[in-house]
Parts: sequence; structure tokens; C-alpha cells
Amino acid sequence: DAGVTQTPRHEVAEKGQTIILKCEPVSGHNDLFWYRQTKIQGLELLSYFRSKSLMEDGGAFKDRFKAEMLNSSFSTLKIQPTEPKDSAVYLCASSFGPNSDYTFGSGTRLLVI
Amino acid sequence: GQQVQQSPTSLVLQEGENAELQCNFSTSLNSMQWFYQRPGGSLISVFYNPSGTKQSGRLTSTTVIKERRSSLHISSSQITDSGTYLCAMRGSSGNKLIFGIGTLLSVKP
Repeated sequence: DAGVTQTPRHEVAEKGQTIILKCEPVSGHNDLFWYRQTKIQGLELLSYFRSKSLMEDGGAFKDRFKAEMLNSSFSTLKIQPTEPKDSAVYLCASSFGPNSDYTFGSGTRLLVI
Repeated sequence: GQQVQQSPTSLVLQEGENAELQCNFSTSLNSMQWFYQRPGGSLISVFYNPSGTKQSGRLTSTTVIKERRSSLHISSSQITDSGTYLCAMRGSSGNKLIFGIGTLLSVKP
């Protein structure tokens, strides 16, 4: 499969835990995005990388959310410490470059209890 | 306020009816996209960077960038069209997409 791969598909964490979500972009894509999706807020941008450089890190999410891209084929999103309000679907997407189509992964559904 | 406003937020149709979904942008944009999302599923690009009118099967997108609006028309709706339709815009800088809240479409038999 040449799409965006996200793991795990589901995650249950206790409040205060640290969790790490993983994403493998489409091979050859230069841009990578992390979004959070909730019914109330919709899709909110968490982080945006271009050629592994962090371009934007979604202001309101800075304190407990940290995305990294150590190489062009792998990114992680760490949430530390988790809170119940972090329960959402976390989506990763990649794109070749400016004004190119996005490819989304299947998402990680996070439940914090 | 929201940069991308979608309407309606939800819509229920009988199979065979047509649907018109609207998207308005409060700021200038370079391009926009329409996505479809099945419940619990990922986002699938429906129309990428449309301008003017574009058609794909029973779906028609009409976008006027200068007027900051786009619509998605679904003709002869089918049960399998049920899901959430999202529009998104790219602003003047970078490649990030800003999304609307989506329209939840339910097509009944």
C-alpha cells in the first residue's frame, strides 16, 4: 500500500500518561501534516513539516503536543501528559508540495480516561 | 471566527434526491478542496483545486475563487453517498489546509 500509514489505529490512555502516535507518509512526499479531529471543532492543524523542517506547530497545542520528523519517511506525535479532552481522532496527511493534493492516513482514535 | 463556513451542517435525503452543499471563505484563498469521509474512515479527496465548474460522475463542484465560495452538488443521491463532506482552503502562504466543520449527509432508502 503506497498511502499514509498510521499506527496504532486505536489507543486508550489513562490521564497523565505519555502516548506516541506514528505516521509514515507517502514515499516522495515533502510535506507532512498532523491534524486533530473532533465533532465540535472539526479538523485542527497540530503540526506542519516541509522537508522535515517544522513550518507550523499550531499555537494552542504547543505545551503538551510535540511532533517530530527525524527522517523523511517517519513522524511521531507525542502527547505528554494526556488529558481527557485530548480524546479525538488524530490524522496524518502528506503532500508532494505547495498546491498538491493531500493523502490522509486512516487515523488514530485516542481515548483518554 | 471561522475562516471556512460550511452549510448545512447536516442533511437528510431520500434516495434519488439531489443535494447542494455550500462553502464560504472569510479570507482570500489560493485554492480549495472537497473531501469525503465515511463514518470512522479517512478523508478522501473528491475535488482537488477546482475552479469554475468540474464534474465527476454524479458530483459537480462550482468554485468562484474571487467570490470566496464553492458548492458541491450531488445528483440522484444514493445510500452509499452518506458520510461527511468537508471543504478546505489554502491561504496565501504555505501548503496547509484549513477545514470547514463539514456537512453530515444521510441518504435514506
